[in-house]
Amino acid sequence: ILNVEQSPQSLHVQEGDSTNFTCSFPSSNFYALHWYRWETAKSPEALFVMTLNGDEKKKGRISATLNTKEGYSYLYIKGSQPEDSATYLCALRALMNYGGATNKLIFGTGTLLAVQP
Amino acid sequence: EAGVAQSPRYKIIEKRQSVAFWCNPISGHATLYWYQQILGQGPKLLIQFQNNGVVDDSQLPKDRFSAERLKGVDSTLKIQPAKLEDSAVYLCASSTGAETQYFGPGTRLLVL
Repeated sequence: ILNVEQSPQSLHVQEGDSTNFTCSFPSSNFYALHWYRWETAKSPEALFVMTLNGDEKKKGRISATLNTKEGYSYLYIKGSQPEDSATYLCALRALMNYGGATNKLIFGTGTLLAVQP
Repeated sequence: EAGVAQSPRYKIIEKRQSVAFWCNPISGHATLYWYQQILGQGPKLLIQFQNNGVVDDSQLPKDRFSAERLKGVDSTLKIQPAKLEDSAVYLCASSTGAETQYFGPGTRLLVL
């Protein structure tokens, strides 16, 4: 059973603080890593799809890095704003035994971020 | 472009009752997914359709859950009979099959 872990479970920061979260996954099964942001009562929103070791992606104040050899990804938020408050989910798209990749996403439990004004 | 639509948004039922959820994917997306997200856990794939055929239903509790996508467009997920442990958010997602999955807002189910 493939396991994707996220830490911390929750984070409370002040407006303007920078923060980061970790997503860990089994490196031997890596095909791609997805990051989503999920605000309460809304649809999960795709942030990044990462495939290459050393990849770094950026969207506004949010960026992510990927290390496929050691099996982790970091998500950074620079200068957090109250509108960044959400659950941040990472999900692994796994490489299967037959050499192909499943379309199935294996999610971590998420990091709940609360940004106080 | 319209996103993934789901209804109802909220549902409260008693255990042993039946419930059905509906999903309309993004136009042109051949692949449709149903996920279950129990509080404190990450979303878990229940079933994946490619057009109107099932690709993966290995984690669908088939004694009580069923899903269909008859015309390869919208889909329904049914629970019959519901148990307390079925309380969760049911998310529908669609994709072209390549990379990103696009999610609907989910149906929040509470079984009493």
